[in-house]
Amino acid sequence: GAVVSQHPSWVICKSGTSVKIECRSLDFQATTMFWYRQFPKQSLMLMATSNEGSKATYEQGVEKDKFLINHASLTLSTLTVTSAHPEDSSFYICSARPLGSGGNEQFFGPGTRLTVL
Amino acid sequence: AQTVTQSQPEMSVQEAETVTLSCTYDTSESDYYLFWYKQPPSRQMILVIRQEAYKQQNATENRFSVNFQKAAKSFSLKISDSQLGDAAMYFCAYRSANSGYALNFGKGTSLLVTP
Repeated sequence: GAVVSQHPSWVICKSGTSVKIECRSLDFQATTMFWYRQFPKQSLMLMATSNEGSKATYEQGVEKDKFLINHASLTLSTLTVTSAHPEDSSFYICSARPLGSGGNEQFFGPGTRLTVL
Repeated sequence: AQTVTQSQPEMSVQEAETVTLSCTYDTSESDYYLFWYKQPPSRQMILVIRQEAYKQQNATENRFSVNFQKAAKSFSLKISDSQLGDAAMYFCAYRSANSGYALNFGKGTSLLVTP
């Protein structure tokens, strides 16, 4: 149980286009989902916290107009990278906190590798 | 803001031996949680072990154990009887008990296991 999927697993796009990444909790409901970015050989950096039915909370330095997050249901959050540029190329990972878990558990998706040409 | 420091970018251990990965953190909070995550080449994050700060007893999960020193703000991971499958990046992470549920990660330690 407690599986989180991400789609797509990898994507290549042209500079200036937008890319949507989906994060789904497959067998549980998630009140909160988190989006992280990981550059090569670096750590995971929190981008934003997404709560179902409300606006996402972005970390300092993350442009909310560039990284649009929608958490429309208890099993789905989406991250849209708008007008992507090569510097947005990275590995994007989501995690989900199960409803009623108390916060000690959060489960990670397998990540999405974005390459912007 | 809390910071998590992993001072060993790379570590190497022989199969069947024991290795300890270091982690220190900086916080003014008294209630929090600490985690070790493993990230193999597949990039899938896997929870290895967690520790609640209010518990004095060190957490243990099979071959994995921690040495939690709250006063020193130290949280090291010991891997016993190392196996080839233990080779991965290991991240130490902190989570506040009072402000949100997001994890604050260290920079990671790359563990190489040699036959």
